[in-house]
Amino acid sequence: GAVVSQHPSWVICKSGTSVKIECRSLDFQATTMFWYRQFPKQSLMLMATSNEGSKATYEQGVEKDKFLINHASLTLSTLTVTSAHPEDSSFYICSASTGARTYEQYFGPGTRLTVT
Amino acid sequence: GEDVEQSLFLSVREGDSSVINCTYTDSSSTYLYWYKQEPGAGLQLLTYIFSNMDMKQDQRLTVLLNKKDKHLSLRIADTQTGDSAIYFCAESMGNTDKLIFGTGTRLQVFP
Repeated sequence: GAVVSQHPSWVICKSGTSVKIECRSLDFQATTMFWYRQFPKQSLMLMATSNEGSKATYEQGVEKDKFLINHASLTLSTLTVTSAHPEDSSFYICSASTGARTYEQYFGPGTRLTVT
Repeated sequence: GEDVEQSLFLSVREGDSSVINCTYTDSSSTYLYWYKQEPGAGLQLLTYIFSNMDMKQDQRLTVLLNKKDKHLSLRIADTQTGDSAIYFCAESMGNTDKLIFGTGTRLQVFP
């Protein structure tokens, strides 16, 4: 149980285009989902926290107009990278939580984005 | 600010024990965690410890917490080649669900 999927697993896009990444909790309802970014050989940096039905809370330094997050249902959150640039190339990982306790936070397999 | 530090690299022989260390700064952390990340994959929760505990053992894994020194360690007994991965410690921030991750330790196990 407690499986989180991400789609796509990898994507290559041209500079200036937008890319949508989906994060789904497959067998549980996620009241809270988190989006992280991981640069090569570095740690995970929290980008934003999203709660179902409300606006996402972004971390300091993360542009909310560039990284649009939608958490429309208890099993789906999307991250859209708008007007992507090469510096947005990264590994994006989502996690989902039932909201009960943090040790019930489950991570997706990640999406590798390459912007050319 | 919140900083979680780890040594970057650890190399051990198969069958030996591995000890991965982590220091954190937020004394209000509720839970502390160890995650494993294999190449190109997401994170797998290995174990966690509540901040009022000193030690937790789970099969080959032993977590030690020194709250006074804000030091967390993960010991892997009888390390196997399948344990080769990057290990992240993480702390939860106060009463929130937010996690702050360490810099990650790359464990390499050789025969």
